[in-house]
Amino acid sequence: RKEVEQDPGPFNVPEGATVAFNCTYSNSASQSFFWYRQDCRKEPKLLMSVYSSGNEDGRFTAQLNRASQYISLLIRDSKLSDSATYLCVVKPWYGGSQGNLIFGKGTKLSVKP
Amino acid sequence: GAVVSQHPSRVICKSGTSVKIECRSLDFQATTMFWYRQFPKQSLMLMATSNEGSKATYEQGVEKDKFLINHASLTLSTLTVTSAHPEDSSFYICSAPASFTSTDTQYFGPGTRLTVL
Repeated sequence: RKEVEQDPGPFNVPEGATVAFNCTYSNSASQSFFWYRQDCRKEPKLLMSVYSSGNEDGRFTAQLNRASQYISLLIRDSKLSDSATYLCVVKPWYGGSQGNLIFGKGTKLSVKP
Repeated sequence: GAVVSQHPSRVICKSGTSVKIECRSLDFQATTMFWYRQFPKQSLMLMATSNEGSKATYEQGVEKDKFLINHASLTLSTLTVTSAHPEDSSFYICSAPASFTSTDTQYFGPGTRLTVL
């Protein structure tokens, strides 16, 4: 089983739509969770961290279910500029703070006019 | 905010040559930097962890003699792809943690696209 799994998409949605992405991770000892955004041929950029209590940043809402090892991202009122690949990212617990990140393959979103 | 730069952004080379990629933290110090590789339609995969003042730590399956890493200072790490072959063509990205105490926030360089002919 892959460490971080995502539906690759693509998700093709009209402007204004609400779209949800899901992600599962295999290491139950994982300590930190993130959603990154990657535009074509660019580096990934942090979109938001994900907390067990759920967190919201404008049109973006992230949820974490540790029991199910499941992470989600909800985008409301999609904009054309939201078109990108969304990466689910997990930081495993290595007994210290200096740990690397583990990336999913990403879910591609295309928002159409 | 903090910025990580990479140089070059793109390189095309002949098979058998060596290519050096630089990763710099521009306004902060990084005792640790991470080197990732991303093949088309694949996820970023960690290749190695670069440590200032000590040897790099390589992930399983990554040849340390082929991918030489030197963390020369608190702001510079270099990755040298030795005797490059077409299968080494990929997008190489470095990252640096924002602080000494936590790697939760990492700043990524813009990446280097390597094409080996």
